[in-house]
Amino acid sequence: EDKVVQSPLSLVVHEGDTVTLNCSYEVTNFRSLLWYKQEKKAPTFLFMLTSSGIEKKSGRLSSILDKKELFSILNITATQTGDSAVYLCARGGSNYKLTFGKGTLLTVNP
Amino acid sequence: NAGVTQTPKFQVLKTGQSMTLQCAQDMNHNSMYWYRQDPGMGLRLIYYSASEGTTDKGEVPNGYNVSRLNKREFSLRLESAAPSQTSVYFCASDIRDRSYNEQFFGPGTRLTVL
Repeated sequence: EDKVVQSPLSLVVHEGDTVTLNCSYEVTNFRSLLWYKQEKKAPTFLFMLTSSGIEKKSGRLSSILDKKELFSILNITATQTGDSAVYLCARGGSNYKLTFGKGTLLTVNP
Repeated sequence: NAGVTQTPKFQVLKTGQSMTLQCAQDMNHNSMYWYRQDPGMGLRLIYYSASEGTTDKGEVPNGYNVSRLNKREFSLRLESAAPSQTSVYFCASDIRDRSYNEQFFGPGTRLTVL
């Protein structure tokens, strides 16, 4: 069974803090690792990491993929209340399906 | 460009009733997916359609049927709703022309089965 494990399951920080969210995955037929942000609606795409692209950055958000240790991290620096959301990690396999983790609920307090 | 659209947004059913959730995408994507999301469970794949004319079971297909009506539309049917099917349902699509599969999601349907 394809497994994606995210940690922590929830996290509360203050504005300005830096957070690191973790995602570990199984290697079988691995193709890609995706991060999504979900507020009270549909998930929105953040990053996709593959064998040819193991680091991505967009503004205060960045992500890396460690193919040897089979994990990815999502970093958010200088957090803002608008960063409060559930962050989902998903693993893409050779059958094109995505397997999602349970998500990390991030709460950023003013 | 509307992206992925879903109807209805909300629905309340009684146990045993049937209904169909509709999904359409205007991005000319080949593949479409139905997920359900329950508290603390992430997104679980119900059914997917790799291309027009094909459908396959995902992780939690029991109690559901799907139809890929054409390239744009993919519907999910509950023949006899049960309280365990109370959930938020998301439709998604991707182009599936290579290995890398960023999926785009619709706004979701919140279904309650009494």
